Amino acid sequence: GAVVSQHPSRVICKSGTSVKIECRSLDFQATTMFWYRQFPKQSLMLMATSNEGSKATYEQGVEKDKFLINHASLTLSTLTVTSAHPEDSSFYICSAYDRGTFTGTEAFFGQGTRLTVV
Amino acid sequence: GESVGLHLPTLSVQEGDNSIINCAYSNSASDYFIWYKQESGKGPQFIIDIRSNMDKRQGQRVTVLLNKTVKHLSLQIAATQPGDSAVYFCAENTGFQKLVFGTGTRLLVSP
Repeated sequence: GAVVSQHPSRVICKSGTSVKIECRSLDFQATTMFWYRQFPKQSLMLMATSNEGSKATYEQGVEKDKFLINHASLTLSTLTVTSAHPEDSSFYICSAYDRGTFTGTEAFFGQGTRLTVV
Repeated sequence: GESVGLHLPTLSVQEGDNSIINCAYSNSASDYFIWYKQESGKGPQFIIDIRSNMDKRQGQRVTVLLNKTVKHLSLQIAATQPGDSAVYFCAENTGFQKLVFGTGTRLLVSP
């Protein structure tokens, strides 16, 4: 099946710094990618929809200036957590649909990024 | 917002038993449903899906049942194995490829 790769898998940063997380579709093109956040022992919460070549669409309650999304190519979306604080510590996961075979069905997920802000 | 302190319900079974994991969904207009398996520290892994015009679909060792009347999904795992231990989420496609995930169930399989 299609592969979505996230990098880094783990990151520890100091409070006040910014962290960039990459999401790549390795063997297919994705015009749309999705970013989720997951707190321990909880479900995945959709943060935003990343659209190639245009602005991201954020879910209600998600600060667009805090979570910057860039989708500059058909294989890469980035999520930047700006001025990170301990409450931003979480597991961030991206997903993508294979543009070439899209039927509105299977989403492929990255392996996730564990962000810890100290 | 998130529910602080929420704990996942847990289903404990013996190896070889059949497991049934249940999920309630919220949007009656959702047309597509998926079950995912998530192991610790990893992203969700696709298990099986079903469209709203079906009420049952079978895969290898897994079966998904859909009851649209009561907006309920279930995942049945036959002959559960220790490798099946994980957290299982249902998800509904609410439109435009956006998935809404259920709360999840932790499956613990004892040898």
